[in-house]
Amino acid sequence: DAGVIQSPRHEVTEMGQEVTLRCKPISGHDYLFWYRQTMMRGLELLIYFNNNVPIDDSGMPEDRFSAKMPNASFSTLKIQPSEPRDSAVYFCASSPRVWSNGGNEQFFGPGTRLTVL
Amino acid sequence: GDSVTQMEGPVTLSEEAFLTINCTYTATGYPSLFWYVQYPGEGLQLLLKATKADDKGSNKGFEATYRKETTSFHLEKGSVQVSDSAVYFCALSDGGSGNTPLVFGKGTRLSVIA
Repeated sequence: DAGVIQSPRHEVTEMGQEVTLRCKPISGHDYLFWYRQTMMRGLELLIYFNNNVPIDDSGMPEDRFSAKMPNASFSTLKIQPSEPRDSAVYFCASSPRVWSNGGNEQFFGPGTRLTVL
Repeated sequence: GDSVTQMEGPVTLSEEAFLTINCTYTATGYPSLFWYVQYPGEGLQLLLKATKADDKGSNKGFEATYRKETTSFHLEKGSVQVSDSAVYFCALSDGGSGNTPLVFGKGTRLSVIA
């Protein structure tokens, strides 16, 4: 398998523009996670899906952020309008169904480095 | 809620030195514990894991033992190499009956110099 695929790898945009980040999880994985990584706040969970259904979006910073998973092989994270403080690396991760002892491994994509000017 | 505390970096070591990165956790249930590694410009990847008390996870010369009595999962390596330079994250998953998200520590940056 090719692993988790994210696009674009780098995105530079101007404040106020719409940004869409894309993720293709590993085939057969039931869970998909979106994270944001910054120097100040570390790694933060934004939202996660189980079988394409959003389970917990409490980490989404504000209404400017939205995420969708229209099918098992694709998810998007959209920021509209973007602001300089959104500059970060955004990671997508996927995970297979839980094992009985819990805590299954998450497989991370390479990330999208977003810069909002 | 659940949380992970790991030693702050950066940590700078000479090649072949002994490495310890401390990690302690708090959890309401019986979590699984993980160490992830992030090499420059890449996503996180699993280094090792342990799912029950006294389990030892090991990989690439790294080891960590699940200590329930001290709620710790310290990462160790006997002889580090320059290629081990990366950021290391301790994490837990309080799985219960579902695949709950990982709770990460803030990460510890390791630099190994030749």
